[in-house]
Amino acid sequence: SQTIHQWPATLVQPVGSPLSLECTVEGTSNPNLYWYRQAAGRGLQLLFYSVGIGQISSEVPQNLSASRPQDRQFILSSKKLLLSDSGFYLCAWITSGNTIYFGEGSWLTVV
Amino acid sequence: AQTVTQSQPEMSVQEAETVTLSCTYDTSESNYYLFWYKQPPSRQMILVIRQEAYKQQNATENRFSVNFQKAAKSFSLKISDSQLGDTAMYFCAFIVNYGQNFVFGPGTRLSVLP
Repeated sequence: SQTIHQWPATLVQPVGSPLSLECTVEGTSNPNLYWYRQAAGRGLQLLFYSVGIGQISSEVPQNLSASRPQDRQFILSSKKLLLSDSGFYLCAWITSGNTIYFGEGSWLTVV
Repeated sequence: AQTVTQSQPEMSVQEAETVTLSCTYDTSESNYYLFWYKQPPSRQMILVIRQEAYKQQNATENRFSVNFQKAAKSFSLKISDSQLGDTAMYFCAFIVNYGQNFVFGPGTRLSVLP
């Protein structure tokens, strides 16, 4: 079966520290992968998407970057976190049936 | 530009009653897919229901059904026999066929009251 996982689930990081969130998909190949951010009580903001290894599209200018080192792995990173980077981060993928499925989410608090 | 509008930021309904959440969208494409996603307090995004735009028949999933009006670009969600577990944020979304990106609405926060 096809599943998506992301980790860590929760993290508290000081301002200026680095960030790495990982996402992996199982049971499929060459998926379209996405990173969304959701501020408290707000909607979804698309940050990055990738249609293949090494192919990253950025939707908004920000302090974050993404990489896709393997077909089913998608990583969200930052070299120096800002307070405004706090939020709930969701990894997602789109199936061949044009349906999007999400990972469990990662809570990031920058202090 | 492709957009999704959910005009009701918050709604409430009594347990066992029926509630309808509104959604309108804008696209120039004729072939697309529409969705409702539920985000309970756990924050996990859960697919509720899916509608293919080329199908005239409204989708149903147990207590959840949609009223799809293609000409009006309207896609409302009806929840029958509301349960406390239906308390969540609900997002309307669509993707065009062969599209790469979903377009999400801002969400409607639904509270089911005992």
